[in-house]
Amino acid sequence: GENVEQHPSTLSVQEGDSAVIKCTYSDSASNYFPWYKQELGKGPQLIIDIRSNVGEKKDQRIAVTLNKTAKHFSLHITETQPEDSAVYFCAASKSGNQFYFGTGTSLTVIP
Amino acid sequence: EAGVAQSPRYKIIEKRQSVAFWCNPISGHATLYWYQQILGQGPKLLIQFQNNGVVDDSQLPKDRFSAERLKGVDSTLKIQPAKLEDSAVYLCASSQMGRGNEQFFGPGTRLTVL
Repeated sequence: GENVEQHPSTLSVQEGDSAVIKCTYSDSASNYFPWYKQELGKGPQLIIDIRSNVGEKKDQRIAVTLNKTAKHFSLHITETQPEDSAVYFCAASKSGNQFYFGTGTSLTVIP
Repeated sequence: EAGVAQSPRYKIIEKRQSVAFWCNPISGHATLYWYQQILGQGPKLLIQFQNNGVVDDSQLPKDRFSAERLKGVDSTLKIQPAKLEDSAVYLCASSQMGRGNEQFFGPGTRLTVL
């Protein structure tokens, strides 16, 4: 089955700096890569996703890049704000099938 | 639109007792998922339904866990008997057929087994 690894497990940045979280996957057939933000006591919320036919996608301060050859994808958050503090999960899946999640990154933005 | 609803939000039981969780997906979403999220880990799929049929239950511990979605709408996940290692957050998610893979998650039920 698919194996998704996520790094780092914890990340602290100063407000206004950028944050980068990286994930690798093992199954070359995976073609959908969502990123979820989970705040304390809440369920994960989709923040951005990318499909295997695209190399990069951006939504305001958030961007995701995908390298299919190397089987890795990254989340980039620019101009971080305290409300960005949360746990972030990457996931990989083949269309219509289950998501395989990474182990999560706890991001702390220091005001 | 209303999100995925789950109840209860919290449950504390003794080991060997039974417990049930309820989920109501977003209206019109044909696919429903139950995930187990152990503290410090990512969610792990337990079972996936398409309407009222099971698509994938390969990671469901069937000796103690069961789930049903009889009318293809809401769903119940049951654990009987519970073990200490079942302490986790149980997340329900739903997705709409034909709209790609985006899954919408509910707030989860935090289970503590003593």
